[in-house]
Amino acid sequence: TQLLEQSPQFLSIQEGENLTVYCNSSSVFSSLQWYRQEPGEGPVLLVTVVTGGEVKKLKRLTFQFGDARKDSSLHITAAQPGDTGLYLCAGAGSTGNQFYFGTGTSLTVIP
Amino acid sequence: DTGVSQDPRHKITKRGQNVTFRCDPISEHNRLYWYRQTLGQGPEFLTYFQNEAQLEKSRLLSDRFSAERPKGSFSTLEIQRTEQGDSAMYLCASSRGRSPPNEQYFGPGTRLTVT
Repeated sequence: TQLLEQSPQFLSIQEGENLTVYCNSSSVFSSLQWYRQEPGEGPVLLVTVVTGGEVKKLKRLTFQFGDARKDSSLHITAAQPGDTGLYLCAGAGSTGNQFYFGTGTSLTVIP
Repeated sequence: DTGVSQDPRHKITKRGQNVTFRCDPISEHNRLYWYRQTLGQGPEFLTYFQNEAQLEKSRLLSDRFSAERPKGSFSTLEIQRTEQGDSAMYLCASSRGRSPPNEQYFGPGTRLTVT
């Protein structure tokens, strides 16, 4: 059972455009992580958000955790071909021991 | 910090054979996780260890699957009598697990193909 829904599932944009990926759930998470995964490789951790309403910026990437800690978004400004990959959100349950991954958003940035 | 390593990176086996995968976590991490990922999906939790103790197992982990972490360092995941439905990427992750947030770091995965 997937507790986290990501949208859109696929996204193909031109270099320089902005985009937002959403991660939604009806469950509350103690923390939420975003990963980027390239084909044939394991996911690479981008950021962890813990506090409801928290906003974190990582260069051109902005991550937001919803006030109720049920949803999150990832905004990329001026996308570059190197941003291409599968973006995954993962929520930690109340104990922080088990993680539930979203369905993933496959991003392609066309030069 | 050499990161999480997994071996082998790829495994092709015939249906009915047994396979074993190894994961070496980041050295100071006491938690180790196993996930399975199929094409186009996010990773699905299989099991996790705190040191050598296996603390949680998913319902996905049928009795053909067994995981060990005998000395609290590396871990092995064995699949007995493999089936075609076992074909997937098997991912290992480790974390410090001391206090929130519990951040996981993944290995490169083992791609299993059952023919």
